Formats: sequence, structure tokens, C-alpha cells
Amino acid sequence: DGGITQSPKYLFRKEGQNVTLSCEQNLNHDAMYWYRQDPGQGLRLIYYSQIVNDFQKGDIAEGYSVSREKKESFPLTVTSAQKNPTAFYLCASSFGRPGTRNQETQYFGPGTRLLVL
Amino acid sequence: SQKIEQNSEALNIQEGKTATLTCNYTNYSPAYLQWYRQDPGRGPVFLLLIRENEKEKRKERLKVTFDTTLKQSLFHITASQPADSATYLCASSGGSYIPTFGRGTSLIVHP
Repeated sequence: DGGITQSPKYLFRKEGQNVTLSCEQNLNHDAMYWYRQDPGQGLRLIYYSQIVNDFQKGDIAEGYSVSREKKESFPLTVTSAQKNPTAFYLCASSFGRPGTRNQETQYFGPGTRLLVL
Repeated sequence: SQKIEQNSEALNIQEGKTATLTCNYTNYSPAYLQWYRQDPGRGPVFLLLIRENEKEKRKERLKVTFDTTLKQSLFHITASQPADSATYLCASSGGSYIPTFGRGTSLIVHP
């Protein structure tokens, strides 16, 4: 089965704690993305990566960090600096690199809902 | 600044009718527009992409139009079914070709 997976489905964070959301894809896509979705809001871009060992900040990167050590994996860490982390987090991938037409269509994972205790 | 807007009010229609959703953009000229479907608690699923030099694109019961004069895309679902009930997101090309998403419009099809 080809696709993009995220885990866990639900994640609880205590105050002052860092938590990491997993995202894996076996679609052989170059580009990967993290979005945040709040109720009634559009998707806001947190970080994206065009290639292994490279990533760029999106519109709302503060309080988040990422790594891209493998093509298949793009984990997102929500740090204690993110004061309002409760949201639905979506990981996506696309075939081509950003800046090229091949990366237009995005394939999304099932999402992780992060809640604060 | 670039803006992409969708009607925030839910669209309620009867089964069998055609649903029409609107996406408007301002202050830029996107190279393409895309439509995605999102079910509650799930990730969006890509439906259709239409480029600026295309007027219309079809896929089964779905049709998308792109009017660069009106700065608008219309998304139609013909012969709508209750299973079509979902939130539909419009996305346009932004800087570096990364899509910018609208807030989405909820469609509710009543049996």
C-alpha cells in the first residue's frame, strides 16, 4: 500500500513539554510539508522540505522544529515555545520539488490531533 | 497581500441537485487552482487542478471553471449525493509554487 502515514492519531502535551509528530511516506516523493489546521481556518504552512537534509520555514514556524534525515520521513517537533499548540496537524508530500510544476498536487496523511493537558 | 477566499457559510442542497462552490482570489494571478475534499477528522484529498489557460476541467460528476477576469473558480458537483457531504478546499499557487489554501466550504447534501 502506497501512501503517507502519521502517528499518533491523538497526542497529549503537558505544559513545558516537547512532543514529536511522525510523518512517513512511501510514495518516493521529494517534497514534504507540515500544515496546521484550526477550526474554521485554512491550512497554514509550518515547514517544508524539498530534499533530504534541507528544510525551509513556512508562515508559522515559530515554536516548531523539523528534520529530514531520510527521504521517507519528516518528523515535526512542537516545542514548549509554542504557546497555543492545540490544533490538527497535517503532513503532506508532493512528487516534485517546490518551485517546479510537479509539486503542485499534494498528498495528505490522516492527521494528528494535538491536545494540551 | 495575496488572498484566497471561500464562502464560510455551509451550502445545503437536496440530493440530485447541482452543488456550486465558489473560490475567489485577490491581489495576484495564480498559475493554477486546485480543489480538495476533506472529511471530518481526516486529511484533504486532491480532486481537480485547473491551470490559468484552461477554462473548464471535468472529472466524472465534478466540473471546475477558472475565470481570470472575475478572479474566480467555480466547483460543481452534478447529481449530488449525501456521500458528497464534506468540506471542499480551494488552493491556489503561491510563491515558490507551494499551494495557498482557503478556509473551505462545507457542503451538506440532504436525502
